[in-house]
Amino acid sequence: GAVVSQHPSWVICKSGTSVKIECRSLDFQATTMFWYRQFPKQSLMLMATSNEGSKATYEQGVEKDKFLINHASLTLSTLTVTSAHPEDSSFYICSARDGQGNTEAFFGQGTRLTVV
Amino acid sequence: AQSVAQPEDQVNVAEGNPLTVKCTYSVSGNPYLFWYVQYPNRGLQFLLKYITGDNLVKGSYGFEAEFNKSQTSFHLKKPSALVSDSALYFCAVRDRGSTGFQKLVFGTGTRLLVSP
Repeated sequence: GAVVSQHPSWVICKSGTSVKIECRSLDFQATTMFWYRQFPKQSLMLMATSNEGSKATYEQGVEKDKFLINHASLTLSTLTVTSAHPEDSSFYICSARDGQGNTEAFFGQGTRLTVV
Repeated sequence: AQSVAQPEDQVNVAEGNPLTVKCTYSVSGNPYLFWYVQYPNRGLQFLLKYITGDNLVKGSYGFEAEFNKSQTSFHLKKPSALVSDSALYFCAVRDRGSTGFQKLVFGTGTRLLVSP
């Protein structure tokens, strides 16, 4: 299957700082990328959907100014957690679809964010 | 809205025995159903999908799932479990969300524990 690479795998930052997470599709062009958040022992919660070259569409209840998403190319999307607080600590996962009719999405390995 | 339910938080099985992880769905129209597996601190790996066609779908690592329309189920199965199959399993259905984009809606996950 297609490969999605997410970086970093884990990050620790201080409260008030911003953190950027990258999601890359390595062997396909990702017309649509998705960002999820997963709390311990819980399912994945979709945060936003982004299409290359356009603004991300956020799910209800997700602060767009807090979680900045950029999908500047067909192989890269970034999620920036701005002014991070301890409650933003979570596991963030991106996924991508290639727009070639494949119905499944491929997932990155996830980023464990800890805000101290 | 489409949804899936995974009624079991955890399934325990001995190595070599058959395993079943349950999933039921609630959809309008024809469902697009998926199974993913997640290992600790990792993203999700695609196992298999049902779109149309044969009710028995074969996927990665010896897993298969049976689509049962009358019971609205899509249980994941494997004839002989391995200790390395121990992980978190998610059932998912594709849905068109309020944003207009196709997205995956995940169940709550079932932890599979295979004992030696």
